[in-house]
Amino acid sequence: DARVTQTPRHKVTEMGQEVTMRCQPILGHNTVFWYRQTMMQGLELLAYFRNRAPLDDSGMPKDRFSAEMPDATLATLKIQPSEPRDSAVYFCASGLPGARTDTQYFGPGTRLTVL
Amino acid sequence: QQPVQSPQAVILREGEDAVINCSSSKALYSVHWYRQKHGEAPVFLMILLKGGEQKGHEKISASFNEKKQQSSLYLTASQLSYSGTYFCGTERAGNQFYFGTGTSLTVIP
Repeated sequence: DARVTQTPRHKVTEMGQEVTMRCQPILGHNTVFWYRQTMMQGLELLAYFRNRAPLDDSGMPKDRFSAEMPDATLATLKIQPSEPRDSAVYFCASGLPGARTDTQYFGPGTRLTVL
Repeated sequence: QQPVQSPQAVILREGEDAVINCSSSKALYSVHWYRQKHGEAPVFLMILLKGGEQKGHEKISASFNEKKQQSSLYLTASQLSYSGTYFCGTERAGNQFYFGTGTSLTVIP
């Protein structure tokens, strides 16, 4: 049963520290999405990649956030320096473009708490 | 910027039908629908790419009225497993993507 995996599942850190979240998309999927969810803002799309190239990262604060795909099996989201307002659940999703149904599969999320 | 969903919350008895609406003030390229249960990741339900298109997924279907910039999600013969929060996601020009405000759906026996 192919799944998107995310690590770590939980992260508590102090303000100012660097945070790296990792995502392993489903093998063969060539589209990767990063989302953030908070009670106040709801769900937000931060960035998405196709064939490892960033297609859109307009939802991501550029000064402190960065997203990359070093290879087809790994996507990373980094926050440096982290701030308390970054506390949220970060989801990664992968999919195949062009399909009309079930085109995104979500990972379990990383719950980030910045103190 | 954020599309508006209605209703905000709905309670159904098993077997009843429901409609969730998603309305945008801007022209849309596509609409996505997701369901999220408490403490879990969202589950992608479907994407609608053309105006007027209606898609189905089990007993859940959706329509997209491109001219009105609206989409509706139809849940028929609701089951307990349908409970959760439903979100629409709308794609606009310039790769802009926004999620709706969410609709909490509770199905009771």
